Amino acid sequence: QVQLVESGGGLVKPGGSLRLSCAASGFTFSDYYMTWIRQAPGKGLEWVSYITTGSAMYYADSVKGRFTISRDNAKNSLYLQMNSLRAEDTAVYYCARAWGYTSSLDYWGQGTLVTVSS
Amino acid sequence: SYALSQPLSLSVALGQTASITCGGNDIGSKNVHWYQQKPGQAPVLVIHRDTNRPSGIPERFSGSNSGNTATLTISRAQAGDEADYYCQVWDSSTEVFGGGTKLTVL
Repeated sequence: QVQLVESGGGLVKPGGSLRLSCAASGFTFSDYYMTWIRQAPGKGLEWVSYITTGSAMYYADSVKGRFTISRDNAKNSLYLQMNSLRAEDTAVYYCARAWGYTSSLDYWGQGTLVTVSS
Repeated sequence: SYALSQPLSLSVALGQTASITCGGNDIGSKNVHWYQQKPGQAPVLVIHRDTNRPSGIPERFSGSNSGNTATLTISRAQAGDEADYYCQVWDSSTEVFGGGTKLTVL
């Protein structure tokens, strides 16, 4: 069955860095767009970034220039390198898959919590 | 940038029908997806491409999309339907979510 498992979250100081990972199984990872969505405490869902099957990368304006998405198809893994972290980046970060542009996010991981605080 | 608007909250009596709207400029020309999120859990897809239910989603869940409004309809509401619901579209190479609607089943 399809599984997405995030890891790498934790407590980091403002200005610090963190790398999130998402391990995928149960499907042909290289066939799917992969995306990161975040949810600040008590708030709604916010798209962060996605990467296409051809490794083209797209970012929300709020993270552009600070976050980098990448994928390793050989390891069935998705990554999010987060630099220059701010308090407003505090959120649960979910990875999810999509068949392609305009497709739904049909499977989501359980999320990993990132807390940016001094 | 493209924006989606949803009511913050909606209440429905047990067994009645709830309609959650998602407004956006010419949203009828886009594919709209709907997600259900219960407290402490990851979102779950309940409707994709306006009207389609994934396997395992009850027939009580349906969707429509026309003009400037997409709608998620939950018939015969149950206590277990109490959750936050989000609409989502793709626009200009970005993913856009509505602000979410908290559904309360009375």
